[in-house]
Amino acid sequence: ETGVTQSPTHLIKTRGQQVTLRCSSQSGHNTVSWYQQALGQGPQFIFQYYREEENGRGNFPPRFSGLQFPNYSSELNVNALELDDSALYLCASSLDQTEQYFGPGTRLTVT
Amino acid sequence: AQRVTQPEKLLSVFKGAPVELKCNYSYSGSPELFWYVQYSRQRLQLLLRHISRESIKGFTADLNKGETSFHLKKPFAQEEDSAMYYCALFKYSGAGSYQLTFGKGTKLSVIP
Repeated sequence: ETGVTQSPTHLIKTRGQQVTLRCSSQSGHNTVSWYQQALGQGPQFIFQYYREEENGRGNFPPRFSGLQFPNYSSELNVNALELDDSALYLCASSLDQTEQYFGPGTRLTVT
Repeated sequence: AQRVTQPEKLLSVFKGAPVELKCNYSYSGSPELFWYVQYSRQRLQLLLRHISRESIKGFTADLNKGETSFHLKKPFAQEEDSAMYYCALFKYSGAGSYQLTFGKGTKLSVIP
């Protein structure tokens, strides 16, 4: 059984640029959730994808968008990066409403 | 809106002493609560969930709806318990949509 993987591990971008983060869900899982974890904070829910459709969203602006592919892997896209977007981005996969398994995260730094 | 509060950023205890990590929540529906743990250089992982009422690594947590609390307890702390602990509230939004709302976390440091 393969766990949740995320790429890249670290990323540095400039304000105004766009970024794409990737997540491979655990084998057999059909749901992917994305979280943003700022320094010293708990993870904050961005959105969730189920069978290639967004089916839940937290309090994040539209410049945060995503995709889920037929193999249930997922991408998080952030446009027009701001300094406050600097954070650890976590992906979690699950099968329906069962336990969410987290990936190691992608550390994004916006300068 | 749902909210999870962990009042302590850092908790230091001696090995063998009891541990209690506090968690309070605000939620209008029927709450389902979790504790997640993150050991150094490891990913976030589920420690326990209140509906299973099980003890994991000696930790237990009881949901108190009257006090809206879900404190995590262990009678005798071990050095390997040193980690970051997050309390989380599960919200089901319908149509298969659900999310976790996390507290800010408490760093537990067990002193040898």
